[in-house]
Amino acid sequence: NAGVTQTPKFQVLKTGQSMTLQCAQDMNHNSMYWYRQDPGMGLRLIYYSASEGTTDKGEVPNGYNVSRLNKREFSLRLESAAPSQTSVYFCASSSLRRETQYFGPGTRLLVL
Amino acid sequence: GESVGLHLPTLSVQEGDNSIINCAYSNSASDYFIWYKQESGKGPQFIIDIRSNMDKRQGQRVTVLLNKTVKHLSLQIAATQPGDSAVYFCAENYAGNMLTFGGGTRLMVKP
Repeated sequence: NAGVTQTPKFQVLKTGQSMTLQCAQDMNHNSMYWYRQDPGMGLRLIYYSASEGTTDKGEVPNGYNVSRLNKREFSLRLESAAPSQTSVYFCASSSLRRETQYFGPGTRLLVL
Repeated sequence: GESVGLHLPTLSVQEGDNSIINCAYSNSASDYFIWYKQESGKGPQFIIDIRSNMDKRQGQRVTVLLNKTVKHLSLQIAATQPGDSAVYFCAENYAGNMLTFGGGTRLMVKP
């Protein structure tokens, strides 16, 4: 039982490049989330998926898109990376939207 | 335990002492609260939760206290160990909304 897994662990991009961050959970959870965490800051919600087939914007959605591929997988895409998107990205999942969220290990992204 | 941007509040305790980490939450309608621990380079890890119909909940070496009157949440860690060194976040939830996370408090345990 791996919980929440994320790939890649690290990534360096040039401004304007695109990439997709992958997330998968094996806990049969309905809801999944993408957060970013900047140095010394709390977690800010980018997008979430309350259930398979639905996605909604969070606090900081600009510059990102998401896909809930199936119940297990939720991906985050940066179409044209900007230095302001340098951050650590965490995926999380929960059984229901209002319940405890379990986090992956994070993806560290540097945009030059 | 409120965030001040880049400078996290820090609590420094001696190994073996008890630690108390505080959090002021924002919404009086919040009815579910969680404490997370985040070690350097890792994702947040669930520690303990409490619902608003309770004032206190105990886990293994940890206790969460909820004071709804002043919108205050605290995490008590008994016999603090070096492995407890981390950043601790509180999170709140109110009906129909996502978890809202606090800025975090760094706990440093001195041997």
